Amino acid sequence: TQLLEQSPQFLSIQEGENLTVYCNSSSVFSSLQWYRQEPGEGPVLLVTVVTGGEVKKLKRLTFQFGDARKDSSLHITAAQPGDTGLYLCAGATAGGTSYGKLTFGQGTILTVHP
Amino acid sequence: DTGVSQNPRHKITKRGQNVTFRCDPISEHNRLYWYRQTLGQGPEFLTYFQNEAQLEKSRLLSDRFSAERPKGSFSTLEIQRTEQGDSAMYLCASSLGAFRGPRQETQYFGPGTRLLVL
Repeated sequence: TQLLEQSPQFLSIQEGENLTVYCNSSSVFSSLQWYRQEPGEGPVLLVTVVTGGEVKKLKRLTFQFGDARKDSSLHITAAQPGDTGLYLCAGATAGGTSYGKLTFGQGTILTVHP
Repeated sequence: DTGVSQNPRHKITKRGQNVTFRCDPISEHNRLYWYRQTLGQGPEFLTYFQNEAQLEKSRLLSDRFSAERPKGSFSTLEIQRTEQGDSAMYLCASSLGAFRGPRQETQYFGPGTRLLVL
């Protein structure tokens, strides 16, 4: 059974601060996806990282995939109230009949205060 | 809109009743997944289809749950004899799939169906 540990579970910060969310596993993933979810809605894809060591930037968000494809991080620079939400990491199973199936972390609830 | 759609968005039912949810994936997406999410948790995998074939079912999916994708397009998830513990958000996602590579396995989610069992 693949597990993905996401931390921290809660994050409450002031506008303008930086933050980092981590996802760690002992399993290798074929890819790792980050989603943002608003209350009562489905997760919305932010990014997919595939290659070990890959870094992707999306405006103030920077995503990194670990060299061994077991862990990932999301860094937000100068957080804004509009960044508030639930952030989810999800690893895709690397092989076998379950190829592509997602294992989700527990999520990080981010609150950015103006 | 060509995203994943789910109906209904909300369902309130009494314990013991049957409910059915529908998911319409992004057209040309071969894979369709069902997940369940409870408050404050990440989604948990329930089952998935490659075209019309159901390839895997989670142990979370009791005998009261059944899913179909008869023509390889839309899918339905039925819960029989609902219990209060079935109350959750049921999410559907689709991907290009067919082993086209890890980026093509990216899953796109629908808005979910929130079920409340009284």
